[in-house]
Amino acid sequence: SYELTQPPSVSVSPGQTARITCSGDGLPKNYAYWYQQKSGQVPVVVIYEDTNRPSGIPERFSGSSSGTMATLTIRGAQVEDEGDYYCYSIDSSGDHRVFGGGTKLTVL
Amino acid sequence: QIQLVQSGAEVKNPGASVKVSCKASGYTFTGYYMHWVRQAPGQGLEWMGWINPNNGDSDYIQKFQGRVTMTRDTSTSTVYMRLSRLRSDDTAVYYCARDHVGASTFPDKWGQGTLVSVSS
Repeated sequence: SYELTQPPSVSVSPGQTARITCSGDGLPKNYAYWYQQKSGQVPVVVIYEDTNRPSGIPERFSGSSSGTMATLTIRGAQVEDEGDYYCYSIDSSGDHRVFGGGTKLTVL
Repeated sequence: QIQLVQSGAEVKNPGASVKVSCKASGYTFTGYYMHWVRQAPGQGLEWMGWINPNNGDSDYIQKFQGRVTMTRDTSTSTVYMRLSRLRSDDTAVYYCARDHVGASTFPDKWGQGTLVSVSS
């Protein structure tokens, strides 16, 4: 089955840049989306269609995609950005959707 | 405002079935697909499938074929997800999530989640 692969964890100090990657064979032709899930809360989309930031999401969040890898970048990460981040895209069938395994971001 | 209100927590025995509801309000119910996503304790998000509330068409990933049924009731703006032959590894929070407004399809507005516990 199709998979999106993420690193299990990323750790940065406050103010540093955090980068979370997502790799998948379908990413060259399909968009990547990024969700943030804080402890005990429902997921929130922070980036859609590779690079777009929904209204209300801070400018420090940005997305990019090249080849089989998409990247979520958080410039000047803050303690409040801690949580789990998931990428999401279309699977190999084109009919279904799939989440990456998730990356735990620690900012301290 | 857009709201998705899910039914309450359930405790089921292995082999039983569970039906989770998701009542939508604040938008045109038949205009947007509804995704179902689950999350086992301490684990990641798993996309299960979706339903088109306009015509009732649904699609599920292979893993759940034969065990899951997604339906809708347009008179009450409610979608349902029924999972049968429950196993302990079906213990999870189940979310409904409305599709995005626009060309891309992704879960945008989420329900609060329903915890389904499967244990003997």
